[in-house]
Amino acid sequence: QKEVEQNSGPLSVPEGAIASLNCTYSDRVSQSFFWYRQYSGKSPELIMSIYSNGDKEDGRFTAQLNKASQYVSLLIRDSQPSDSATYLCAGSTGTASKLTFGTGTRLQVTL
Amino acid sequence: EAGVAQSPRYKIIEKRQSVAFWCNPISGHATLYWYQQILGQGPKLLIQFQNNGVVDDSQLPKDRFSAERLKGVDSTLKIQPAKLEDSAVYLCASSLDYYEQYFGPGTRLTVT
Repeated sequence: QKEVEQNSGPLSVPEGAIASLNCTYSDRVSQSFFWYRQYSGKSPELIMSIYSNGDKEDGRFTAQLNKASQYVSLLIRDSQPSDSATYLCAGSTGTASKLTFGTGTRLQVTL
Repeated sequence: EAGVAQSPRYKIIEKRQSVAFWCNPISGHATLYWYQQILGQGPKLLIQFQNNGVVDDSQLPKDRFSAERLKGVDSTLKIQPAKLEDSAVYLCASSLDYYEQYFGPGTRLTVT
């Protein structure tokens, strides 16, 4: 099993809908998780971090962490065309918080 | 606050040549990371520095890759000699507290 797994997509949602992006992780990954947004040809941009079980909201973004089921998700409400990008899930491993990334899910928001 | 700076932004070299990348982290960030991102994949950590000491270099191909962070600020990553499979984007990131990492714009390397 890969340490961090994501569906590569593309995930297509209409403008204004909720986009739901999911990520599962292995036992080797600890409890800190991050969502990065990466536009084509650009570098990853940190959009959410979550450290404890439950939900964390920031504007249109909500990150959810379920430790028992070993998954973390990102919800994007009122999706906009500008949200079209690849979303990378990352989890930390080891005492020095080394980040392991998934391969990313490509999101397409259609008009 | 200025972000992570990297140069050059693009580099094209022939195989067996050498290349070096430079990174300047966000001011005050003690931890610096170099990642390799191959097209269609997530970034892979090559090396992590805490100040000027190496914390993790387990995935650095040490026969051809080297990195240093003198004086605990700027860092350089070198590849010598380059192979075709080294074609990728090389990303530098920094963090204040081992948790949230912020990436620079990256250097796109093409090895022909």
